[in-house]
Amino acid sequence: SQQGEEDPQALSIQEGENATMNCSYKTSINNLQWYRQNSGRGLVHLILIRSNEREKHSGRLRVTLDTSKKSSSLLITASRAADTASYFCATAISSGSARQLTFGSGTQLTVLP
Amino acid sequence: DSGVTQTPKHLITATGQRVTLRCSPRSGDLSVYWYQQSLDQGLQFLIQYYNGEERAKGNILERFSAQQFPDLHSELNLSSLELGDSALYFCASSHPSTSGSYNEQFFGPGTRLTVL
Repeated sequence: SQQGEEDPQALSIQEGENATMNCSYKTSINNLQWYRQNSGRGLVHLILIRSNEREKHSGRLRVTLDTSKKSSSLLITASRAADTASYFCATAISSGSARQLTFGSGTQLTVLP
Repeated sequence: DSGVTQTPKHLITATGQRVTLRCSPRSGDLSVYWYQQSLDQGLQFLIQYYNGEERAKGNILERFSAQQFPDLHSELNLSSLELGDSALYFCASSHPSTSGSYNEQFFGPGTRLTVL
């Protein structure tokens, strides 16, 4: 079962615009990570935010985390056609020594040139 | 290039057959994870190995098994294959964290399995 649910399922914007994707999850987490997947390829780690952090930046990426609402958002600023991909949030759950991630259903982002 | 390699890239087989997928983690990574990605189920965690030992199990069917060898490469064995097993199978690896926290995972390019 999916721990995280991304919203929206699909997003289409023009190059240069900002893209915002949201993720909601159900249980307490150790951290939340965002990954990107180009069609049919492997996932690429984008950014990790720990449960005691509220905001994190990496280049054109900004991630926020609200543990009280069990939600996170990923903002991509000044989007480019090359940002077209699926974006997944993944939660790392505090559970003993296991280290698996539980992925959401993903947001398909299309950036039009 | 993540440094994680998976073979083969594509695999086409028939129902009832058995296949083995192989994964080599990044140099220095002790943990290997297997995931299945399908259109209807999304990305599902199957199993994790850490330094040769099974560490966590997810939605892995009894027909599936995995192991991690002393050189840290891992194999995922899928048997009695069904049409519904057609999916992308990803391997990922991560470095042990001295703080005990969770690190990012590095994904391989995947193996696309088609069961006819």
